[in-house]
Amino acid sequence: DAGVTQSPTHLIKTRGQQVTLRCSPISGHKSVSWYQQVLGQGPQFIFQYYEKEERGRGNFPDRFSARQFPNYSSELNVNALLLGDSALYLCASGHAGVDTEAFFGQGTRLTVV
Amino acid sequence: AQSVTQLDSQVPVFEEAPVELRCNYSSSVSVYLFWYVQYPNQGLQLLLKYLSGSTLVKGINGFEAEFNKSQTSFHLRKPSVHISDTAEYFCAVSVTAAGNKLTFGGGTRVLVKP
Repeated sequence: DAGVTQSPTHLIKTRGQQVTLRCSPISGHKSVSWYQQVLGQGPQFIFQYYEKEERGRGNFPDRFSARQFPNYSSELNVNALLLGDSALYLCASGHAGVDTEAFFGQGTRLTVV
Repeated sequence: AQSVTQLDSQVPVFEEAPVELRCNYSSSVSVYLFWYVQYPNQGLQLLLKYLSGSTLVKGINGFEAEFNKSQTSFHLRKPSVHISDTAEYFCAVSVTAAGNKLTFGGGTRVLVKP
């Protein structure tokens, strides 16, 4: 079975540009969460979506937005990129029920120059 | 709000020696506790989690952790490490049992030496 897949794996953007990251959850999973992991730090929660609705938002500026599609895949958008947005962006999917776990993808490495 | 502190940023250890990674948390509400491992250039993999019941939790790859409510700690242990255990380990808490909105610690890098 395919795990959580994220695309692209790496990309380089210039300050001020916009970027879209994509995530396909494990088949049957309806919950998708996004995390930002800056080099040398632990991941920080950005968003959770369940059944296409936002269920949680971390402490990130409005430049960050996301959505979930009817097939439960998700996109994370970041506008007006800053150097500090350089990080590994992780997507996790799950059932959102009790006694389940969140499965993580390998991430998208974003470098802002 | 919740916070997680991993007291050691790096832990060097010899192969076949025991290792303990320390984790303390702070929360105004009840939380569930998790340990994740991250191998180089990979995502996170769940090692174990504490939801309720026995305070000693056994996970994959021979790891175990003990929940101590009075000390708000959830330390991870392995009695004998292998070279393949070289990785970064993250302690995390969540207000949901499914761990959909995790608050992570800063991580502990374990380097296993031959």
